[in-house]
Amino acid sequence: DQQVKQNSPSLSVQEGRISILNCDYTNSMFDYFLWYKKYPAEGPTFLISISSIKDKNEDGRFTVFLNKSAKHLSLHIVPSQPGDSAVYFCAASALISSGSARQLTFGSGTQLTVLP
Amino acid sequence: EAEVAQSPRYKITEKSQAVAFWCDPISGHATLYWYRQILGQGPELLVQFQDESVVDDSQLPKDRFSAERLKGVDSTLKIQPAELGDSAMYLCASRLTSGNTGELFFGEGSRLTVL
Repeated sequence: DQQVKQNSPSLSVQEGRISILNCDYTNSMFDYFLWYKKYPAEGPTFLISISSIKDKNEDGRFTVFLNKSAKHLSLHIVPSQPGDSAVYFCAASALISSGSARQLTFGSGTQLTVLP
Repeated sequence: EAEVAQSPRYKITEKSQAVAFWCDPISGHATLYWYRQILGQGPELLVQFQDESVVDDSQLPKDRFSAERLKGVDSTLKIQPAELGDSAMYLCASRLTSGNTGELFFGEGSRLTVL
């Protein structure tokens, strides 16, 4: 049972336009959310995060929105650039049952292609 | 810039053979994770360490997989015997401490192909 879902395996966007990547989660215990970016043959790199007490976090061209009632978050990239072409993973964090450590659960990823 | 080091980058082995992966986290990072990523899927947690102790290994197939972090620094993930379905990218990540919400830093991964 996937607790973090990215329903769009791929997305193509024209350079300069907005890219919107979506993510849904089911576990109400998730209280911190992150987006990672992955290029082929490399490990994921952190992009942006948001705490569950906020509904928006912005960092340059990247903005993450969180809708707790809908258990939905999205990543907006404006303007999109060809170098943004990569796989984007949504991840959600919760304290594990022992209470002293956090687990990070990933979605299946969305391949973003920004066309020049 | 500090990085998570992993080796080997690529490993090809035949099924039923043993294989081992090594990870050296960022200096000072107490928490270390091993993830497995199958092509087209997201990373799945295999095991999580806090210093030398296992915090979570509920998703680790313990009949064939083992992981250790004896001195609380570097870590080894072993598979014996390897099966065809083990072909994947094995990612190591570290974090300063386990309880905070800070980002995980990933290594470049070890790509395993089982023939």
